[in-house]
Amino acid sequence: QQPVQSPQAVILREGEDAVINCSSSKALYSVHWYRQKHGEAPIFLMILLKGGEQKGHDKISASFNEKKQQSSLYLTASQLSYSGTYFCGTVLQRGYQKVTFGTGTKLQVIP
Amino acid sequence: DGGITQSPKYLFRKEGQNVTLSCEQNLNHDAMYWYRQDPGQGLRLIYYSQIVNDFQKGDIAEGYSVSREKKESFPLTVTSAQKNPTAFYLCASSTRPWDGSGNTIYFGEGSWLTVV
Repeated sequence: QQPVQSPQAVILREGEDAVINCSSSKALYSVHWYRQKHGEAPIFLMILLKGGEQKGHDKISASFNEKKQQSSLYLTASQLSYSGTYFCGTVLQRGYQKVTFGTGTKLQVIP
Repeated sequence: DGGITQSPKYLFRKEGQNVTLSCEQNLNHDAMYWYRQDPGQGLRLIYYSQIVNDFQKGDIAEGYSVSREKKESFPLTVTSAQKNPTAFYLCASSTRPWDGSGNTIYFGEGSWLTVV
């Protein structure tokens, strides 16, 4: 079953912050985050594992609440290059290869 | 450089025809995947393979077929049974991280299929 992402779309001005949420109805082992520009391949951002620490890279970070089966992606001081569609992908068990992606959140950063 | 190569980039198919999308990876990854992308529906899993000569249906396998005869290759055939095949198709691969580090997925550049 697809994880649910919210919001579906968001428009930001440069320098503003945003949070994208990903929720699953099933217990999760890991959550992946990807960003995709139109017509291009999705690019890996980070992966969060059950029992692991909150991840971060530059001004993009994420958290994973195992009890709620939720993950959140935090974009701080957004830049124009952050524009794109963000997907979360979920894995149910350790070593399980099936990754199920959400419907995506379209983020547009304007000057 | 290591990566995933999909071909063709653009493909037009007449109704009733089967077409095959190629996917080759030189990352030495065990697992490979095919996803379909339609506007507003995100990435939906068609088939995946964890090892050579083995593959499993994903969430939308009807009308598609795959083979995994070699580790580096995972072609997808879109058959005439697929009623609405026009979409963007993404091939991907990942390692099998038994150490619990998570299986990061790497994507190819995608193939656009249009039925005419």
